[in-house]
Amino acid sequence: AQKVTQAQTEISVVEKEDVTLDCVYETRDTTYYLFWYKQPPSGELVFLIRRNSFDEQNEISGRYSWNFQKSTSSFNFTITASQVVDSAVYFCALSNNTDKLIFGTGTRLQVFP
Amino acid sequence: SQTIHQWPATLVQPVGSPLSLECTVEGTSNPNLYWYRQAAGRGLQLLFYSIGIGQISSEVPQNLSASRPQDRQFILSSKKLLLSDSGFYLCAWSGGTADTQYFGPGTRLTVL
Repeated sequence: AQKVTQAQTEISVVEKEDVTLDCVYETRDTTYYLFWYKQPPSGELVFLIRRNSFDEQNEISGRYSWNFQKSTSSFNFTITASQVVDSAVYFCALSNNTDKLIFGTGTRLQVFP
Repeated sequence: SQTIHQWPATLVQPVGSPLSLECTVEGTSNPNLYWYRQAAGRGLQLLFYSIGIGQISSEVPQNLSASRPQDRQFILSSKKLLLSDSGFYLCAWSGGTADTQYFGPGTRLTVL
């Protein structure tokens, strides 16, 4: 069975701090996809990244970076020099090459000025 | 570019009343469409998805139903709402199976 665990329910940081959001997944499939979404207070889910199981290269996009490690079944998300606008709930999700996205329970990030 | 619309944005309904939430996508054809529900303080749960007109797959047995009368229109319905139906309903689209899903602005439903 597929499962996504985001053990951190809530994280609070002060602006300019770096913060890492953890995501651990479970799947028996060799082909799968991992995602991160951001949900600001408005509620809409904003797509951040999609990674397939055959590409373990880390990715950097501005202040955002992602570390995918199949050995530990983790797909962690780091925000460098956090800003107040980063405050949101962040969801990690898994797809095993079907239409079903399995979401974690989310991590609420609060960035204080 | 593609855009996805949902309405209404918010809805307050009494228990036992009917429900109809609408989702439409612009700028793409033959999208896969999805309905998710997010209960307060929880993750998202897939309710229904559709890979084509008239084709609906249900993930969770409940008193909700979905229909896809047109290629880019997806409707979530109920004949009689329950208190437990309260939540945030999100529609999403993708270009195909396992593709990235893009979400609409959501409908916040409160059943009293």
